[in-house]
Amino acid sequence: EIVLTQSPATLSLSPGERATLSCRASQSVSSYLAWYQQKPGQAPRLLIYDASNRATGIPARFSGSGSGTDFTLTISSLEPEDFAVYYCQQRSNWPKTFGQGTKLEIK
Amino acid sequence: QLQLQESGPGLVKPSETLSLTCTVSGGSISSSSYYWGWIRQPPGKGLEWIGSIYYSGSTYYNPSLKSRVTISVDTSKNQFSLKLSSVTAADTAVYYCARRTITGTQAFDIWGQGTMVTVSS
Repeated sequence: EIVLTQSPATLSLSPGERATLSCRASQSVSSYLAWYQQKPGQAPRLLIYDASNRATGIPARFSGSGSGTDFTLTISSLEPEDFAVYYCQQRSNWPKTFGQGTKLEIK
Repeated sequence: QLQLQESGPGLVKPSETLSLTCTVSGGSISSSSYYWGWIRQPPGKGLEWIGSIYYSGSTYYNPSLKSRVTISVDTSKNQFSLKLSSVTAADTAVYYCARRTITGTQAFDIWGQGTMVTVSS
């Protein structure tokens, strides 16, 4: 099973700042990594697929990068609605696995 | 647009079988373009993929749950279902159903709202 480790566990920033979230895989997943956003009481929402492709309707301030074992989700300028928990997920191998999440909170 | 809705008991006794159904509306579950999956989230914790099914009935399970999980599909009702046997308190979670595309994003792009299941006597 591929283990995904996200860091930091919690990130405290202010609106307008840049956020950088990391996801590291225990073995290469090529570019087969997705990012999801989850707000309290809601289902996750797909943001990025295949490491760097924005899903339909996702604002341009969200971007993804990386390949192999190291990936980054960047939010260029935080909006109030961006404060949430973010998960990475790999589709390279079965079982599909998720990272443990990074909570992005308002500083 | 396509919507998914989970349904089933919110309370299950230990050692019994958890049964949930996901109803797909606004589209056909028989499309060859998608897998249909179950994901769960214990309170305050992260996401765990349980398993997925193709409209033909082919299934893929998380090895950590495989001995207790059965996922099935009913194309006539546009539904797919989850059964998890011999539940314990560790199975208490919000259970989501979701669609995964076979081409394109190949990610879980549409999710149900989730249903909370508590395992308790």
